[in-house]
Amino acid sequence: AQSVTQPDIHITVSEGASLELRCNYSYGATPYLFWYVQSPGQGLQLLLKYFSGDTLVQGIKGFEAEFKRSQSSFNLRKPSVHWSDAAEYFCAQFYNDYKLSFGAGTTVTVRA
Amino acid sequence: EAQVTQNPRYLITVTGKKLTVTCSQNMNHEYMSWYRQDPGLGLRQIYYSMNVEVTDKGDVPEGYKVSRKEKRNFPLILESPSPNQTSLYFCASSLWGRENTGELFFGEGSRLTVL
Repeated sequence: AQSVTQPDIHITVSEGASLELRCNYSYGATPYLFWYVQSPGQGLQLLLKYFSGDTLVQGIKGFEAEFKRSQSSFNLRKPSVHWSDAAEYFCAQFYNDYKLSFGAGTTVTVRA
Repeated sequence: EAQVTQNPRYLITVTGKKLTVTCSQNMNHEYMSWYRQDPGLGLRQIYYSMNVEVTDKGDVPEGYKVSRKEKRNFPLILESPSPNQTSLYFCASSLWGRENTGELFFGEGSRLTVL
């Protein structure tokens, strides 16, 4: 199975500061990549996706992600975090046409 | 309102007592899937279905069964639950097709405890 690695288990960031979450995917000729967010007690919500084309993709809630094939990375960024961004974030890779493999997740804490 | 509905949301049961977690979606999605979420492991796929009567194993299918008799429903069956199946379970659905199937809509989760 393909694997997705999120090196950071937990990140704490101040409100208004920038945020970057790391994600590394296993090799694939045409990786289909996603970022999902899970707010406390909720299901997951899609933030953004990458299939092809521009390596910088924009998502909802002011998030963006950059695909770097040379580094097998798909890092998520936000220029200025809000307290409502406190959540768990999952990177995922689509493979074998119908399977979605998730990383272990990164928990983001936002301090005032 | 577009949604994926799971029931029950919370359940405590005992080892060996068969249970079913229901999942229903109202978006006419072809693809449906079950995941379990455990701390430090993220979400792991249990089973998925590409359409009615078409199901296949995910990464952790042992101890689970599914069926897809209707497009909107995809129940998860634990024939003989064991404590290692204590987890948070999510059902998800999406349109079918390579560029659609990763865009999952998730239910709110079902927290299962097996004593």
